[in-house]
Amino acid sequence: ETGVTQTPRHLVMGMTNKKSLKCEQHLGHNAMYWYKQSAKKPLELMFVYNFKEQTENNSVPSRFSPECPNSSHLFLHLHTLQPEDSALYLCASSQEVAQSSSYEQYFGPGTRLTVT
Amino acid sequence: QKEVEQNSGPLSVPEGAIASLNCTYSDRGSQSFFWYRQYSGKSPELIMSIYSNGDKEDGRFTAQLNKASQYVSLLIRDSQPSDSATYLCAVNVHSGGGADGLTFGKGTHLIIQP
Repeated sequence: ETGVTQTPRHLVMGMTNKKSLKCEQHLGHNAMYWYKQSAKKPLELMFVYNFKEQTENNSVPSRFSPECPNSSHLFLHLHTLQPEDSALYLCASSQEVAQSSSYEQYFGPGTRLTVT
Repeated sequence: QKEVEQNSGPLSVPEGAIASLNCTYSDRGSQSFFWYRQYSGKSPELIMSIYSNGDKEDGRFTAQLNKASQYVSLLIRDSQPSDSATYLCAVNVHSGGGADGLTFGKGTHLIIQP
């Protein structure tokens, strides 16, 4: 595997279900991110993990719960979602260097989520 | 609130011509600027990054940054039909505390006419 991988690629879930999205990066990076892309809206940052520590939660509802067990893996646990949560969920990674402003982020293919 | 503005288009350019894409941002503290290309149904692909005022060239792509005007642009020379996609401008602010997320514009839909 190369780059950033995400599973599953497509997910349909009911509002009462619990599911998890998985992201794995094979780039040796130390920071990982979750973004949400809805129709007709810009990509929205959800969570940032730097060296496995969550450094940003961009006012995301608690029905989305991230987990970063190590610098290569990132999960997004989902429960009691709403239909408006249907979107493309994208994972990204980057290599953060202290005192550097270089933050090139590389995206995985995304998980297309449909909440029914 | 950080904002990134782009003209949504569509921007239609003849094959072989120069496509010019523009972006403005609101946060004067922004330090890193990126252009991503996104084909329909696919995830964003990084094509250019720029950090200091001036031009940066990579193949057929040139990114231009003017921090005083809070303006960043992307030029695509010798446009090809395969360049037809949505181009996303993204900006981050280095907080000094580690990784920062990106703020994205809505994207400009570019169509290269054969």
